[in-house]
Amino acid sequence: GAVVSQHPSWVICKSGTSVKIECRSLDFQATTMFWYRQFPKQSLMLMATSNEGSKATYEQGVEKDKFLINHASLTLSTLTVTSAHPEDSSFYICSAEEKGEKLFFGSGTQLSVL
Amino acid sequence: AQKITQTQPGMFVQEKEAVTLDCTYDTSDQSYGLFWYKQPSSGEMIFLIYQGSYDEQNATEGRYSLNFQKARKSANLVISASQLGDSAMYFCAMILTGGGNKLTFGTGTQLKVEL
Repeated sequence: GAVVSQHPSWVICKSGTSVKIECRSLDFQATTMFWYRQFPKQSLMLMATSNEGSKATYEQGVEKDKFLINHASLTLSTLTVTSAHPEDSSFYICSAEEKGEKLFFGSGTQLSVL
Repeated sequence: AQKITQTQPGMFVQEKEAVTLDCTYDTSDQSYGLFWYKQPSSGEMIFLIYQGSYDEQNATEGRYSLNFQKARKSANLVISASQLGDSAMYFCAMILTGGGNKLTFGTGTQLKVEL
């Protein structure tokens, strides 16, 4: 089946620094990718929808200047958490849409901000 | 807006027994899809089963089956012959057809399979 690679799987950073998370579709072209956030023992909450070649669509309450999303190619979307703070510590997971139908998830990134 | 409700935060089941994980949903749309995902402690989301709102037959995938009761707006997951490896978090999710693949997730059920 289709594979979505997410990197890094785990990152620790100092407060105030920026962190970039990559989401790649390895064997298919993904015109749309989705970014979710999951706090411990909670559900996944959609943050934004990333479309190749256009600006991301953010869900209500998600700061677009803090969570920068770039979908520069059909196989890569990146999420940059800018000026990260401890409250941004969370599990971030992406999903990629194949041909507008099937959805495949990455393996997630655990972000810890000290 | 659509909503998914999972009322069981945690469930225990003995190995080799069947278990039902509850899921109810709320939407005014007639066309939608329902999913179940498994999330082990490693964090990845593993697709288990899908049911379309117009599918007349209940979906089945190996040991997983979805008990779809449209009038009651429920989509319970049944796992037969539980295995130790089934211990994980299970999420019910929904998309609206024509709304893109934006999934709305329930709060999840933590399943623990015991010997």
